[in-house]
Amino acid sequence: GQNIDQPTEMTATEGAIVQINCTYQTSGFNGLFWYQQHAGEAPTFLSYNVLDGLEEKGRFSSFLSRSKGYSYLLLKELQMKDSASYLCAPNTGGFKTIFGAGTRLFVKA
Amino acid sequence: GAVVSQHPSRVICKSGTSVKIECRSLDFQATTMFWYRQFPKKSLMLMATSNEGSKATYEQGVEKDKFLINHASLTLSTLTVTSAHPEDSSFYICSAFEGRLSSYNEQFFGPGTRLTVL
Repeated sequence: GQNIDQPTEMTATEGAIVQINCTYQTSGFNGLFWYQQHAGEAPTFLSYNVLDGLEEKGRFSSFLSRSKGYSYLLLKELQMKDSASYLCAPNTGGFKTIFGAGTRLFVKA
Repeated sequence: GAVVSQHPSRVICKSGTSVKIECRSLDFQATTMFWYRQFPKKSLMLMATSNEGSKATYEQGVEKDKFLINHASLTLSTLTVTSAHPEDSSFYICSAFEGRLSSYNEQFFGPGTRLTVL
């Protein structure tokens, strides 16, 4: 079966750091995407991890542990515009990607 | 590059009517497109994978006779919701894959279509 767990909601303060965790169980696994989705809009690509470890890209970093079925997205120097849903999405083979329900992040002043 | 458009962005229709949603890749050719639906505060659920020139591959539980998908060209896929009912009201999103533009096999998403069936 396929299962993706991530917190439903998180709140953080502008300028702070927040870590959004994701655990997954899938029948196949090539790598893991993180997407950002603002309300009523389409998801936009943030990162893709294939190997274990941390990938850093500006204010956003993503970590993967394949053996633990675990990933996290780290957002630094939070800005108000970072308020959005963050979708953890394992690629299970070929083009097939399954999406978690998303974590709604609220950034407050 | 890698822009995907959807039309219409929002549609309201009466129960029993059919609605067609278009998904276009504007600046690239997409051999593969995907159709998702998303309920409020829920995840994207893959409905079907659409390949140019062949029949779509539907996910388990998705009625192929109700959700007709046509991928007639390398830049256009259409989803027709036939005999729509209120429970079909949802946010429908398409995405496309283009190997040369994506570094990680990521999908490029359209802006979505909000369907409301009265």
